[in-house]
This record gives sequence, C-alpha cells and structure tokens, in this order.
Amino acid sequence: QSVLTQPPSVSAAPGQKVTISCSGSTSNIGSNYVSWYQQIPGTAPKLLIYDNDKRPSGMSDRFSGSKSGTSAALGITGLQTGDEADYYCVSWDSSLSAVLFGGGTRLTVL
Amino acid sequence: QVQLVQSGPEVKKPGASVKVSCKTSGYTFSMYGISWLRQAPGQGLEWMGWLSVYNGNRNYADKFQGRVTLTTDTSTNTAYMELRRLTPDDTAVYYCARDGLAYADNWNWFDPWGHGTLVTVSS
Repeated sequence: QSVLTQPPSVSAAPGQKVTISCSGSTSNIGSNYVSWYQQIPGTAPKLLIYDNDKRPSGMSDRFSGSKSGTSAALGITGLQTGDEADYYCVSWDSSLSAVLFGGGTRLTVL
Repeated sequence: QVQLVQSGPEVKKPGASVKVSCKTSGYTFSMYGISWLRQAPGQGLEWMGWLSVYNGNRNYADKFQGRVTLTTDTSTNTAYMELRRLTPDDTAVYYCARDGLAYADNWNWFDPWGHGTLVTVSS
C-alpha cells in the first residue's frame, strides 16, 4: 500500500479536462515538493511537473500542478488519446528519509 | 541531449546477485545524483535508493538496506546498481534516473529516466 494516495483510475472524453489527486501527510507532501510523471505502458516514465507546479522546458501547458496542505493535484486540459497513460505523484518523506510514490492513476480518454 | 542507456535483460536464479549499469551522456556526470527504481510486472514504481555523484552521499530505501549497493565509475560516466540475495519477488524492470537539479545534497526529482532493464528471477 502506497503512502501517497491516488485514485486508481480516471476517465474523460477527448478535449475535456481531468484532475488527478494525490493525498499524503505532513511529513511528505505537507513539507516537501511534489513531482508528477507520465508512464505510457511499455515505456519509461517521463517528468511532467516538478516543485509542485513547474513544467520542464518543452512540456505542454496542458499539464499543470498544484499543492495545498497535504494534497497535490495534476490537471490535464484538452485531453488527447495520446494522454492515455499511468500518472504518478512523488514526494520526499522527511520522517522516513525516503522517496515516496503514489500508487498511480490510469487515465483513459474515452 | 541527456541520455541514460541501461544494460540488457538478465535472468538470475534465486539467491544470486545482479548488477545493472546505466551509462550516461550529454551532461557532466559528476554534477548530478542518480536514483534507482523498479517496477514489478503490473505494479507501480518503487524507489530503491539515491547516490550523489557530486559528493558521494547515499540514501537507500529501508526495504533494500543491506541488499543493494549503488556505485559509479566516473571514468566511463556510468552508474551501477547491485542487488543481492535475489528472490522471485525481485522480478521487475529496474530504472535509473538522473536528478533534475545539479549539486544537490538530496534527491529532488527524476529527469530523465533510463529505458529500463528487465531482471527475471526464476529457478
């Protein structure tokens, strides 16, 4: 069981917007940065968001990140079939001195 | 561009060890840390540990403490992960990933990732 909690799956129609939540605690999300990764099945994960809300160079602005208290969220607008993937939130845990992953959320674009 | 190229698939017997390599290019190897992660079939991602090439600091996940060793060879810009006393539960794709931030005293974020190395443990 993951310490960071994500919904197992979300779905939406092409062109719509979806939000994926990530819930943690004061020792991880509450006091450290969150990053988000996209993993298309069969490929390596790719960075989408770092430091809660920053996009790496070249990353589409359809992807956005936010954090409030002990929760974080990834927003994806203008959904495309190519966005179908697993999405993971990640944060450092100061109590465990470890990197923690959410369990992952499978996005289906209907 | 920054590239992390991992070694090929491995098949090991229970009780054996495996050493996976991650050859880097496109950046100054000594400036960034490297993490190792794994993903069992059909499962999520799991962090195993982090090594700062810059200052030698290491941080291992409790689950792997004493069973994993992270090393680097600065002459070939290559990072290594050795996992000992393998069991079938260690069957997974193993990834290396570079830090996003240079000269960091601790892990920050993963960018980019290697392509992964499948390690199969079976008798």
